[in-house]
Amino acid sequence: NAGVTQTPKFRILKIGQSMTLQCTQDMNHNYMYWYRQDPGMGLKLIYYSVGAGITDKGEVPNGYNVSRSTTEDFPLRLELAAPSQTSVYFCASTPDRGYTFGSGTRLTVV
Amino acid sequence: GQQLNQSPQSMFIQEGEDVSMNCTSSSIFNTWLWYKQDPGEGPVLLIALYKAGELTSNGRLTAQFGITRKDSFLNISASIPSDVGIYFCAGQLWNNDMRFGAGTRLTVKP
Repeated sequence: NAGVTQTPKFRILKIGQSMTLQCTQDMNHNYMYWYRQDPGMGLKLIYYSVGAGITDKGEVPNGYNVSRSTTEDFPLRLELAAPSQTSVYFCASTPDRGYTFGSGTRLTVV
Repeated sequence: GQQLNQSPQSMFIQEGEDVSMNCTSSSIFNTWLWYKQDPGEGPVLLIALYKAGELTSNGRLTAQFGITRKDSFLNISASIPSDVGIYFCAGQLWNNDMRFGAGTRLTVKP
C-alpha cells in the first residue's frame, strides 16, 4: 500500500515553462487536494476534488489547473511558470476525515 | 474568515519539559486535527478531534476540541529529542476542505 505518491520530488523550471505535478493514491479515496507551502508558512489550498470528474478552486488557484479523470490520479498543471510559484507542493487524499499527505514536490522557478 | 491563528510560532524547550500550543479561529470547524511535519516530508496526522469538547490522547500527546468549535490545543508531555519538528493545527470544514495554521516550530534541547 503506497499511500499518496507524488512525482517528481524536485524540479527547476524557467519562467514561462509549463509542467505537470503528478499525484496518485491507491487507497480509493474520493477526496483529493493540492496544497502549496511557502517557507515558514502553513499550507494553502490550491484545488481540490470530491471525486472523479469533479474539481473546484481553493484559496490560491490562479496560475494552476487540475483534472480528475480517475479516482487514483489528480495531476496539477502549471502553464506559465512564475517565480511566485516557487514553493513545496503537497498532494493529499482522504476518504472523509484526516488527510494522508504525499512527501511533496519542491519546485523552483528561475 | 476561515484563517487559523496558531501560537506560539516557535518554542525552545529542554528535554523532559511539557509543551502546549493552540489554534484559534473566528470560524467554526467540524473537525480539528493536529499534524507533525519533519524536514523534507509531508505532514503526518497525530490526532483528530470530531466533537466539541472532545479530549483525546495519543501516547504523550493530548489534544482538545474547543467547546465553541473555534479552537483547539495540543499538549506534549515529557518532551524527547524526536519531538523536534513543525506542528500544524488544521480545521476541517463541512465540505472536507481543510485550513491550516502557520505552524509551531519545536526545538528540544537534550
